[in-house]
Amino acid sequence: GAGVSQSPSNKVTEKGKDVELRCDPISGHTALYWYRQRLGQGLEFLIYFQGNSAPDKSGLPSDRFSAERTGESVSTLTIQRTQQEDSAVYLCASTKPSGSPETQYFGPGTRLLVL
Amino acid sequence: GNSVTQMEGPVTLSEEAFLTINCTYTATGYPSLFWYVQYPGEGLQLLLKATKADDKGSNKGFEATYRKETTSFHLEKGSVQVSDSAVYFCALRVYNAGNMLTFGGGTRLMVKP
Repeated sequence: GAGVSQSPSNKVTEKGKDVELRCDPISGHTALYWYRQRLGQGLEFLIYFQGNSAPDKSGLPSDRFSAERTGESVSTLTIQRTQQEDSAVYLCASTKPSGSPETQYFGPGTRLLVL
Repeated sequence: GNSVTQMEGPVTLSEEAFLTINCTYTATGYPSLFWYVQYPGEGLQLLLKATKADDKGSNKGFEATYRKETTSFHLEKGSVQVSDSAVYFCALRVYNAGNMLTFGGGTRLMVKP
């Protein structure tokens, strides 16, 4: 595809349910990032994947959050036992190998609402 | 730790007005500074960047100068257009501190014809 895609674009769930968010990075991009944006706030870093290296999970807010990525392909962010404070827009970004790490290409985000 | 503070919006301007969106930062190391823009319905895009003190980033008529003495990276444009209406995010990255960006809260700009 032409850019980073994310699905679903919107998700409404009940408190306590698990959700899975998907990110399709730009083909050939080796690095992939997940961020969270709560209403009216800046983006918070969650997790970073670089190729086959161990991911940087330093931004995950709790053990209810996990993410996977196989190689340089799709990534899924899973939130277990969702809480109302998990409501946010979840953004994914990827970086091409030859570009500087700063040139992150962002997807449109998944808007999660936990009732 | 690292943090970015930017002026709250929305900022509402008439077409051709002068724009300033303030951004200040704190960083534990020597950061690179960025402005990202998010147009309605689209993903974040890098607008401009500066990697060392006194550098000026520029793109699409927007400019920002890396001011180490005031820890600021204010975004300016001399004459805004309706098409500039978007949310603007200031961000930083500190080398040797991972590859993640630290973002400000975003400033919504609305330009009226």
